[in-house]
Amino acid sequence: AQKVTQAQTEISVVEKEDVTLDCVYETRDTTYYLFWYKQPPSGELVFLIRRNSFDEQNEISGRYSWNFQKSTSSFNFTITASQVVDSAVYFCALINNQGGKLIFGQGTELSVKP
Amino acid sequence: KAGVTQTPRYLIKTRGQQVTLSCSPISGHRSVSWYQQTPGQGLQFLFEYFSETQRNKGNFPGRFSGRQFSNSRSEMNVSTLELGDSALYLCASSLALLTQGETQYFGPGTRLLVL
Repeated sequence: AQKVTQAQTEISVVEKEDVTLDCVYETRDTTYYLFWYKQPPSGELVFLIRRNSFDEQNEISGRYSWNFQKSTSSFNFTITASQVVDSAVYFCALINNQGGKLIFGQGTELSVKP
Repeated sequence: KAGVTQTPRYLIKTRGQQVTLSCSPISGHRSVSWYQQTPGQGLQFLFEYFSETQRNKGNFPGRFSGRQFSNSRSEMNVSTLELGDSALYLCASSLALLTQGETQYFGPGTRLLVL
């Protein structure tokens, strides 16, 4: 069975702090894809990153970075020097080529205070 | 390129009625998926359409149905509405099938309130 767990329901930080959002996934397939999405209060899910199971290289995009570790089935997301505009709910998600559906974690609500 | 658009953005219905939601994918995208988001259940997959055919379906009752047109636009219908159908309904489009791991891009959603 496929499953995505985001154990942190809510995180509150002060602006300029670094914050890491955890994501642990379960799948029996060797080919799968992992995603992170951001959902601001407006409701629209904004795509952040896609990773396939054969590419464990970490990625950095500006203040955002992702750490993919197959050994621990984790795909964690770090925001460096957080800003108020980063306040949103962040979702980790998984597709495998057998399941054919995007499975979401429960989301982590990040609040960045000035 | 225009993003995914959904209409209407807000909808209020009463129990027992039916509702049709519409989604226009990003130009060139052939796969359209629908999701339901509620505070209790989170984001749940409803179904995926590709080339006018339903390719996969989530665990929802038959009251939830959809279709896709030749221009890839999609509609979702919910019949005999129940209070529990109150949710944000999100549409997403991608170039190819979900099984190929394509990135899905989401629309702004339709907020449905059932009274």
